[in-house]
Amino acid sequence: SQTIHQWPATLVQPVGSPLSLECTVEGTSNPNLYWYRQAAGRGLQLLFYSVGIGQISSEVPQNLSASRPQDRQFILSSKKLLLSDSGFYLCAWGAPNPNEKLFFGSGTQLSVL
Amino acid sequence: GESVGLHLPTLSVQEGDNSIINCAYSNSASDYFIWYKQESGKGPQFIIDIRSNMDKRQGQRVTVLLNKTVKHLSLQIAATQPGDSAVYFCAENIYGAGKLIFGQGTTLQVKP
Repeated sequence: SQTIHQWPATLVQPVGSPLSLECTVEGTSNPNLYWYRQAAGRGLQLLFYSVGIGQISSEVPQNLSASRPQDRQFILSSKKLLLSDSGFYLCAWGAPNPNEKLFFGSGTQLSVL
Repeated sequence: GESVGLHLPTLSVQEGDNSIINCAYSNSASDYFIWYKQESGKGPQFIIDIRSNMDKRQGQRVTVLLNKTVKHLSLQIAATQPGDSAVYFCAENIYGAGKLIFGQGTTLQVKP
């Protein structure tokens, strides 16, 4: 069966520090991968998605970047965190067919202080 | 831009009653819809989905209704239980876009 791993679960970082969140998927090949951010009490905002290694689509201009160095690995990064980067970050995977459900990881609660 | 929105931010129901959570979508090209349940501090969990060639789909205690004429989606939960307390999101997939757009969510509170 397919599983998705996301870590760390919580992270407290000072403003201006770098960020690296990692997500890996097991049990499937060539998945579509996604990074979402969720502000407290709000919906999910799509940040990045990838349909293959090295292929990254950015949905909103921001202080973050994403990379996909391997088929089942998706990384969210920042060189210098801002206060506004605080939030709940969720990684998700879906089958290559775009009309399929997404499966989410357990999320990372990022607090930038 | 296109968006998926929910009519009510919070829904409070008595345990054992049926719950109905509503969702409006704006893109007529959307062809696939999903309901997710999110408990506090966790990732969204898939509940049920429906494609645009259907108007109703049933699962275990849940039913999704799709009205394409008025671009409306609803989730019905039968015999609501305390474990159903969570935030519920609808999401739409716009044909060919390869990504889901989420609404703001409805908080379901189940009173014992």
